[in-house]
Amino acid sequence: GNSVTQMEGPVTLSEEAFLTINCTYTATGYPSLFWYVQYPGEGLQLLLKATKADDKGSNKGFEATYRKETTSFHLEKGSVQVSDSAVYFCALIRNNAGNMLTFGGGTRLMVKP
Amino acid sequence: KAGVTQTPRYLIKTRGQQVTLSCSPISGHRSVSWYQQTPGQGLQFLFEYFSETQRNKGNFPGRFSGRQFSNSRSEMNVSTLELGDSALYLCASSLVGGADTQYFGPGTRLTVL
Repeated sequence: GNSVTQMEGPVTLSEEAFLTINCTYTATGYPSLFWYVQYPGEGLQLLLKATKADDKGSNKGFEATYRKETTSFHLEKGSVQVSDSAVYFCALIRNNAGNMLTFGGGTRLMVKP
Repeated sequence: KAGVTQTPRYLIKTRGQQVTLSCSPISGHRSVSWYQQTPGQGLQFLFEYFSETQRNKGNFPGRFSGRQFSNSRSEMNVSTLELGDSALYLCASSLVGGADTQYFGPGTRLTVL
């Protein structure tokens, strides 16, 4: 079946530090990959997506590249801010197999001033 | 354009009762999906509705059901509530489903006592 594995948190960084959150997946076929972010007390917001191998999704300074050979979709940001503190979820949808998102366990990011 | 709205935002019930949650999708979106979020199990897919028909279903017992109306609004119902049903229930809408981006509402926090 499909599965997504994320690094466990919390990840604690100082402001302006470099961020990497690892995400690997298992899926048959060619899934679309997503990063969602959840701020305290809120629902999920789409951060970025990639629909095929070697695609790079980017938004608000965050980037992730769809690596089929390593089945990975690691999230990166060059310089984090306190406002980036949130829980980040990696997720996939198998193409042509409905719209069921399969999520990783989430990684809490805490950025200190 | 208004986002996905969910009502109520908070709900407290006792074991054995039933509950109905409501979701209004983004205007023009025809696919509505429901997810359960708990600290132990993370984010899990419940079901998806499209054009008033259940199109996909996750691995939840029959106590969990839903429906969609002609205006794409959706409700989910949980009967005979158990303590383990305490969770954040998230609704997401997308244009037609599949690998379309899903936009999430703020969720309904259900507490079962």
